[in-house]
Amino acid sequence: EIVMTQSPVTLSVSPGERVTLSCRASQSVSSSLAWYQQKPGQAPRLLIFHASTRATGIPPRFSGSGSGTEFTLTISSLQSEDFAVYFCQQYANWPPRYTFGQGTKLEIK
Amino acid sequence: EEQLVQSAAELKKPGESLRISCQGSGYTFTNFWITWVRQMPGKGLEWVGRIDPSDSYTNYNPSFQGHVSISVDKSISTAYLQWSSLKASDTAMYYCARHYSASSGWFDPWGQGTLVTVSS
Repeated sequence: EIVMTQSPVTLSVSPGERVTLSCRASQSVSSSLAWYQQKPGQAPRLLIFHASTRATGIPPRFSGSGSGTEFTLTISSLQSEDFAVYFCQQYANWPPRYTFGQGTKLEIK
Repeated sequence: EEQLVQSAAELKKPGESLRISCQGSGYTFTNFWITWVRQMPGKGLEWVGRIDPSDSYTNYNPSFQGHVSISVDKSISTAYLQWSSLKASDTAMYYCARHYSASSGWFDPWGQGTLVTVSS
C-alpha cells in the first residue's frame, strides 16, 4: 500500500496569506495525485488532479505542483471560504488501491 | 447537472444487514465507475472499492474485501454498498463518488454522504 503523509496536520493562517500544504508518497506515484477540500458537514470537493490540473470551476488561487513522491498545494491568497480540511489522494496503483493522506486543517489565526 | 444522491442515514444494531444506495443523474451512468469512500468520525478518507456500472466489475480495498459488497442496478442508475453483518466499527459516513472520466483515478462529483451508525 502506498502511504500518503500530509504536513502540517494543522495550519493557523490569516486571510490574505499565501499557504503551502505538503503531501509525500511512500513511493513514486508519478503525477497520479489529486487534492480535495472538505468543509464541515460536506462531502469532499475535487480541486486538483494530475498533480497540477485544476478541476472545473476551481479558482486560479489554487495551484498544485510536484511529481514522484513530493507534492504541494498552494493557495495564493486565502479567502474566508478556504478554511477547511485538505486531502491528497494517489491513484497510481493497478489494480487500484487508492489511498488518501490524513488531511491538513486550515484554521483562522 | 451531474450529481449523485445517496440514501438517508441509518441506525442499525450489530449483526444486522444493511444496503445503502447512490443514484446518479445528469450523465450516462454506465460510462463512469462509481467508488465508495469511508470516513470514520473525525477521521480521514479511506477507499472502500469501486464498480464499473457497465458490467458490474468490482475492485476492493483488501482491508474491506469480504466484509462489504458493491453492486449496481443499471436500470435505475443506482450503485449500492452492502453489509451482511454490521459491526460497531462500521459506524462512519460513507460517500459515493464518480470517477471523473471513464478510467480516471480521481473522483468528481461526490454524493452527499450516508451516515451509518451501528450501536446496540
